[in-house]
Amino acid sequence: DGGITQSPKYLFRKEGQNVTLSCEQNLNHDAMYWYRQDPGQGLRLIYYSQIVNDFQKGDIAEGYSVSREKKESFPLTVTSAQKNPTAFYLCASSRDPNSGELFFGEGSRLTVL
Amino acid sequence: ILNVEQSPQSLHVQEGDSTNFTCSFPSSNFYALHWYRWETAKSPEALFVMTLNGDEKKKGRISATLNTKEGYSYLYIKGSQPEDSATYLCAFSRLGSNFGNEKLTFGTGTRLTIIP
Repeated sequence: DGGITQSPKYLFRKEGQNVTLSCEQNLNHDAMYWYRQDPGQGLRLIYYSQIVNDFQKGDIAEGYSVSREKKESFPLTVTSAQKNPTAFYLCASSRDPNSGELFFGEGSRLTVL
Repeated sequence: ILNVEQSPQSLHVQEGDSTNFTCSFPSSNFYALHWYRWETAKSPEALFVMTLNGDEKKKGRISATLNTKEGYSYLYIKGSQPEDSATYLCAFSRLGSNFGNEKLTFGTGTRLTIIP
């Protein structure tokens, strides 16, 4: 079945460690996105990519990095510079970056101890 | 930062009853309004993407309306069923960029619980 796969589902890390969250899609979508969810807040955009080898910062990019070397893959690294990394992270893709619906993964919950 | 407000925050509805909730957004520079359903432990799933003022969309027992001039959208669920229990998110995107989706601003959602 086509869709978005995020891994791992749960991740625990010590403070100061970098962590990479995986996002893979087999929908042949050009556009991919990373969102963060915190309690009581709407989803906030971290990074997005409209096409392979190109990505742009979203609203809360500080302390995060991404790469887009393949169309199918858009991994997110949470670096030690991210002050509050404990959160729920959602990856999404869309066929049409202008107004097309987003297809989401099931998310990754990162807890930094 | 543009505010997208959803109300109510949570809602309990008896099975079989109909219900509706609201998404409010800035009325200027409107581009698109998205509705998503997010069941616990699953991925958010798109219900509707609406772009035209006065638009009405329907998917089974769920429908949505859009008023871009006054900045609101209603989501209606007719004859609620237990499987409708979920958080319903709306997201608004505005003009002023080359693309729309990277400008999506999400509301905090309405958490709907259907009581059997």
